Amino acid sequence: ETGVTQSPTHLIKTRGQQVTLRCSSQSGHNTVSWYQQALGQGPQFIFQYYREEENGRGNFPPRFSGLQFPNYSSELNVNALELDDSALYLCASSPGLPTDTQYFGPGTRLTVL
Amino acid sequence: KNEVEQSPQNLTAQEGEFITINCSYSVGISALHWLQQHPGGGIVSLFMLSSGKKKHGRLIATINIQEKHSSLHITASHPRDSAVYICAVSFLDPIRSKLTFGTGTRLQVTL
Repeated sequence: ETGVTQSPTHLIKTRGQQVTLRCSSQSGHNTVSWYQQALGQGPQFIFQYYREEENGRGNFPPRFSGLQFPNYSSELNVNALELDDSALYLCASSPGLPTDTQYFGPGTRLTVL
Repeated sequence: KNEVEQSPQNLTAQEGEFITINCSYSVGISALHWLQQHPGGGIVSLFMLSSGKKKHGRLIATINIQEKHSSLHITASHPRDSAVYICAVSFLDPIRSKLTFGTGTRLQVTL
């Protein structure tokens, strides 16, 4: 039990639709990172938020966007879904230092048809 | 280019065997993480290392900063250890706590 929850667990969407994925972190965890894990691959960094500001972004297009809220929850939004967006989406939170232990949520499995 | 490489990609062992999984990386890091991922997706952090060695139960993790290499050892392996083991690093990078992952080592421990 990491104290990080994600919702929904599974989601099926069709190409072109929009989706919002949610993550709830532990209290006091000011940093949340989102990762995309395609089948058989390691997770890829999407972006990170620190104290409600975007703190860095990986190689993902602008249709991937996010928000972090004062209550330690966060969202990942994906617009204009494509088939290749089908993946496991993971959030990870930490107090904020690079050497902090990362606490992962269970993930949301998104299938785009 | 920042890279993390793991070996082997797949590993099958019999119960009781000593297992070693290796991770190497290309440039300086602030921390290295060993993670465990079971079928279904959830990731659990096993260790976070910036130097030396850590031990938790049957798991031991070591890191050699000069050689840019880390190993995860499992002593007296058990079928419940079957999972994907992932090495991830925080490079000396402006993005705090950003992790770069290896592709994982799939471990299957049989009776």
